[in-house]
Amino acid sequence: DAGITQSPRHKVTETGTPVTLRCHQTENHRYMYWYRQDPGHGLRLIHYSYGVKDTDKGEVSDGYSVSRSKTEDFLLTLESATSSQTSVYFCATNGLAGGTDTQYFGPGTRLTVL
Amino acid sequence: AQSVTQLDSQVPVFEEAPVELRCNYSSSVSVYLFWYVQYPNQGLQLLLKYLSGSTLVKSINGFEAEFNKSQTSFHLRKPSVHISDTAEYFCAVSTGYNFNKFYFGSGTKLNVKP
Repeated sequence: DAGITQSPRHKVTETGTPVTLRCHQTENHRYMYWYRQDPGHGLRLIHYSYGVKDTDKGEVSDGYSVSRSKTEDFLLTLESATSSQTSVYFCATNGLAGGTDTQYFGPGTRLTVL
Repeated sequence: AQSVTQLDSQVPVFEEAPVELRCNYSSSVSVYLFWYVQYPNQGLQLLLKYLSGSTLVKSINGFEAEFNKSQTSFHLRKPSVHISDTAEYFCAVSTGYNFNKFYFGSGTKLNVKP
């Protein structure tokens, strides 16, 4: 398994507060992704990164921002958390260009927004 | 954006029976296709993938999937399931527009009963 860790693993927060989730990888993979998983929706891409300081939006990016200042770290920030952002968040990495490599997933972060 | 449709949200099946989990995608350009498995409270793990070549791909634990370009399908099959196959299965696609963006289906929960 690729060395991907996510922190925190669980978080409860209140509406309106900012929240930052961290993804750390030890594989030196170029591509990193943030997904959210909700019942009936599967995984939906929030943002992804194709290199340090290079990021792009996914299909559900509103209300989220990301940063990647180092190859190994990819941060996801909820600027002002809302109850609709209660979800399980997964980070993933991909080592090769062209999407031909396997995506490796972290263990997930369960976020509850009250 | 691409779409991936998994027609069955839940599939109950008895142990040792065959199973088929269906997946259809919308892209008309070249695609890479994946099946991932998620066990409870874990991240996703790659089960098998189609990149090119033979349209029938197999996993080490007895699953197989066939790429059907004319029907834009990538159904997952296993001739005889085990209790340990109980999990949620996700179909995913990346396309010639951007092979580094992945689109997931909504998932199928396979429940194998004794």
